[in-house]
Amino acid sequence: EPEVTQTPSHQVTQMGQEVILRCVPISNHLYFYWYRQILGQKVEFLVSFYNNEISEKSEIFDDQFSVERPDGSNFTLKIRSTKLEDSAMYFCASSELSGHLGGYTFGSGTRLTVV
Amino acid sequence: QKEVEQDPGPLSVPEGAIVSLNCTYSNSAFQYFMWYRQYSRKGPELLMYTYSSGNKEDGRFTAQVDKSSKYISLFIRDSQPSDSATYLCAMMIQGAQKLVFGQGTRLTINP
Repeated sequence: EPEVTQTPSHQVTQMGQEVILRCVPISNHLYFYWYRQILGQKVEFLVSFYNNEISEKSEIFDDQFSVERPDGSNFTLKIRSTKLEDSAMYFCASSELSGHLGGYTFGSGTRLTVV
Repeated sequence: QKEVEQDPGPLSVPEGAIVSLNCTYSNSAFQYFMWYRQYSRKGPELLMYTYSSGNKEDGRFTAQVDKSSKYISLFIRDSQPSDSATYLCAMMIQGAQKLVFGQGTRLTINP
């Protein structure tokens, strides 16, 4: 069964450092998303991406965050200057159709620890 | 009032029991409703998707939506130990891309 692949599974970084989280969505999917889950809290939407541009973003997704689809297969989330409160599980997801038409497929996540 | 409310549990039931999981929501613009299952340190996995009031069945799982009461449910029949996981309800407004999740209910099925 096709799956969304995320690397690395766990990343430790120092506060203030830049970090890039990588995702390979399912190959025929057109919509891409990032979510995060702080330990013990809800899964929260960060951003959606379609046709090489951001289609929707949350208030969490401030100027410290950016997304990119650098080639035909990867989708990345960059955090420019990490803060302690950025520590969370980050989930990438993708969907063939607009998400409301059937939900989407999540990856297993990258656990980001900022120290 | 939170947009989506879900009792975090934990909920523990014996194998074979019928499980009922519920969410309420406040935003009447939500039109699409999903249930995800999440195992520890894994991403959410889509179980059920529905957009209309009423019941939708898939094997041992039944999703129920009552838009008039802003209430959704997931029923699991003949529960198995492998059903032990956290169950997340999620909702979406038509035309939007953002899923709004509930807190998740941690479920344990005891053999």
